Amino acid sequence: QKEVEQNSGPLSVPEGAIASLNCTYSDRVSQSFFWYRQYSGKSPELIMSIYSNGDKEDGRFTAQLNKASQYVSLLIRDSQPSDSATYLCAVYSGGYQKVTFGTGTKLQVIP
Amino acid sequence: NAGVTQTPKFRILKIGQSMTLQCTQDMNHNYMYWYRQDPGMGLKLIYYSVGAGITDKGEVPNGYNVSRSTTEDFPLRLELAAPSQTSVYFCASSYERGLYNEQFFGPGTRLTVL
Repeated sequence: QKEVEQNSGPLSVPEGAIASLNCTYSDRVSQSFFWYRQYSGKSPELIMSIYSNGDKEDGRFTAQLNKASQYVSLLIRDSQPSDSATYLCAVYSGGYQKVTFGTGTKLQVIP
Repeated sequence: NAGVTQTPKFRILKIGQSMTLQCTQDMNHNYMYWYRQDPGMGLKLIYYSVGAGITDKGEVPNGYNVSRSTTEDFPLRLELAAPSQTSVYFCASSYERGLYNEQFFGPGTRLTVL
């Protein structure tokens, strides 16, 4: 069974620090990777997608992908209290496979 | 654009009752999905659709049914509600299904079955 694993947290970081969120996946043929942010009581919102090895930056967010290690991460620079949320990692494995979501990591940014 | 809308926001059902969760998107997306999310758990796919008239089962389809008569609407039907169906239900849509499967979610329906 294809799996996407995340540490449930909570991950606590002080305001202004870098938050590092990690995700591992089991299917070696996985092709695309997504990070969603979900505030408590709200729906998931796509914040980053990454398709090839390396880094992809968008504002304060950087997604990092290492397919050889089956590892994808999300870095949040200059963390703000408004970044406090659960971050879901999602993986698409090709063909007619669905997107598989991890259970999420809860991030707490301490003012 | 309103994006993906869902109704109702909240509902309490008694065991054995039935209901339909409504989902509408105005982004002209072919692909639509229904997920449930239980506390501390990831999103589990219930059903999905690749276009009007075409639907298929996801991971956890038992106790649910769907239909897709138009591109915009993808209702989820619960028959004979059970306490195990207490959950938050999210509808989502995407322009593509493959590599660039970036999904847009509705606000969710919080369902309690007593």
